[in-house]
Amino acid sequence: AQSVAQPEDQVNVAEGNPLTVKCTYSVSGNPYLFWYVQYPNRGLQFLLKYITGDNLVKGSYGFEAEFNKSQTSFHLKKPSALVSDSALYFCAARDPGGSYIPTFGRGTSLIVHP
Amino acid sequence: EAGVAQSPRYKIIEKRQSVAFWCNPISGHATLYWYQQILGQGPKLLIQFQNNGVVDDSQLPKDRFSAERLKGVDSTLKIQPAKLEDSAVYLCASSIGQVTTYEQYFGPGTRLTVT
Repeated sequence: AQSVAQPEDQVNVAEGNPLTVKCTYSVSGNPYLFWYVQYPNRGLQFLLKYITGDNLVKGSYGFEAEFNKSQTSFHLKKPSALVSDSALYFCAARDPGGSYIPTFGRGTSLIVHP
Repeated sequence: EAGVAQSPRYKIIEKRQSVAFWCNPISGHATLYWYQQILGQGPKLLIQFQNNGVVDDSQLPKDRFSAERLKGVDSTLKIQPAKLEDSAVYLCASSIGQVTTYEQYFGPGTRLTVT
């Protein structure tokens, strides 16, 4: 069965510093990977996805993520954090060769301090 | 472009009562998903529709949960009877198609509290 792990419940970073939100996955074959962001009292919003090709994927709001097949990771990054980036971030995976069911991690709360 | 609409936004019921949630996906989106998000956890897929047909409902507790998508547009998720452990946010999402490369667009969710 496929699974997604986000090992940190919370990440704290100072505004202007780089940020990383970690995600590892367990999917048979080559996975499709996604990052979503959730602001309070709102639904999840799509940030970026990896399907194939370049391991570094760029997305919305200056976020990017790096796919690392050997480490089965898909960490979310941003060079310079903003206070407005504070939110809940979810990593998700889908197995292109298996079930249609998307699997989400439990989420990581990002707090950016002024 | 209008987003995914859900109603109600909040609902409080007593255990053993019934409740229904409504979702209107983005126009033209063929695939619709219902998720359950328990506090502190990621969304868990309950059911996925492609047009008005069910693609996957393997994680739907069918003894108490039901869902339909009449005419392949709006969808309703029902719980009858509700249990305390059903307290969660119920998210509806849609995508252009069921191909696994497509990202999903989520509604604001319905927060259900069962007392």
